[in-house]
Parts: sequence; structure tokens; C-alpha cells
Amino acid sequence: GESVGLHLPTLSVQEGDNSIINCAYSNSASDYFIWYKQESGKGPQFIIDIRSNMDKRQGQRVTVLLNKTVKHLSLQIAATQPGDSAVYFCAENNAGNNRKLIWGLGTSLAVNP
Amino acid sequence: DVKVTQSSRYLVKRTGEKVFLECVQDMDHENMFWYRQDPGLGLRLIYFSYDVKMKEKGDIPEGYSVSREKKERFSLILESASTNQTSMYLCASSFRAGGGNSPLHFGNGTRLTVT
Repeated sequence: GESVGLHLPTLSVQEGDNSIINCAYSNSASDYFIWYKQESGKGPQFIIDIRSNMDKRQGQRVTVLLNKTVKHLSLQIAATQPGDSAVYFCAENNAGNNRKLIWGLGTSLAVNP
Repeated sequence: DVKVTQSSRYLVKRTGEKVFLECVQDMDHENMFWYRQDPGLGLRLIYFSYDVKMKEKGDIPEGYSVSREKKERFSLILESASTNQTSMYLCASSFRAGGGNSPLHFGNGTRLTVT
């Protein structure tokens, strides 16, 4: 399933399916992008980041895609598991030391068994 | 693993009280941050510190101050708590990464209620 992070805040998928969470970022000068996962009662947990000189980066079961032409960022989660249920945030930055991180409002991912 | 520890999970304070929120990180990170998180508003940066005794205002510094006397500790101070400061407060830290960017590592938050 797909979701536009800022406009459809809830995504529901079946266990085992792939999930795609989308983010439209605002500043064409942004050069660093990052995804976080926040479980209930916990702080945000770093998932994966990507710099603007790349268009794809893979981690364990996750892939981040960056399309600078349309200012779009996506997080793909392969074989979604119940433990992936959380709120996912994207953030963009265009200044050093994370001074100007701009955060999305988050997408809630619900994994159905 | 990086550990960012916030001293309290829940706090209840009265209007007008002076409130201290403490944060400690154990990875020798140069940068430390205080955010507040509110439903529908996302994460908003209150203050940022890139070195001991150094601080920069974030997007919403009004009503707050900070202290960084030691590298591992960053304190957020509400000089006179008000009800509109009821929120979840998140501390984070990161490496300086040569002026570039590296991931922030967050604590589990302090939920502050001001009555």
C-alpha cells in the first residue's frame, strides 16, 4: 500500500506485504533527508538517511528513494511485520549540524496480522 | 548503542513553577537538542547546543532557557511554567560530522503537564 505522509496520516497493510510511505519535502536546497520510526511511548528511532547526491539507499528491509526533480522521498519496508507498526517521520535539512531539520507530521503504519 | 536518557518520564507542575528537564547522553556527541512534540504540530526545535556552554535558539525558544555545562548533559528550563507548555519534550544528540549532518538519537521523552 501507499500513503502520502502529510495528507493521509494512516496506512494499513497486511503482514508480509511491502509498505511504502511517502513524503513531499519543501526546500529544493535540502541536502540531507532522514526517516524515523516512533513507537507508542518512545522517542523517535533513526531508521535510515540519504544525502542529496544519492537517489537510493538500502538498509535492512528498508529502502529510501529520493527524487529531487519532484522533491519526493519515500520509505519502503519489505515484508512488513507487526513490529513495524508505528508512526514514521521524514525530515529534511539544509544547514549543518541539523540546525534546520524540517519534520513531516508523520504517517501511522498499522500492520494487520 | 547510543543512549540518551531523560531524567523523568512524567512530570506534573503548577503554573508559575520553575521546571528543570534533564538529559544525558553517553556517546560523546557534540550536538544536543531539545524539541517539543504536540499532536498536529509535529516536532518543533526549542534550543540547540553544538558545544559546551554554546547554545542557539530554535524555532520556539520563548519561555524556555537551556544550560550545557558539561558535554554529556543538556538541561531545559521553564522559568515560569504555563499551561501552554504542557507537552512531550524530547532530547536528542548527534555527532557534529564536520559541519554536515548525522542522525539524531532521541531519548524516550518527558511528558510534562502544567496545571
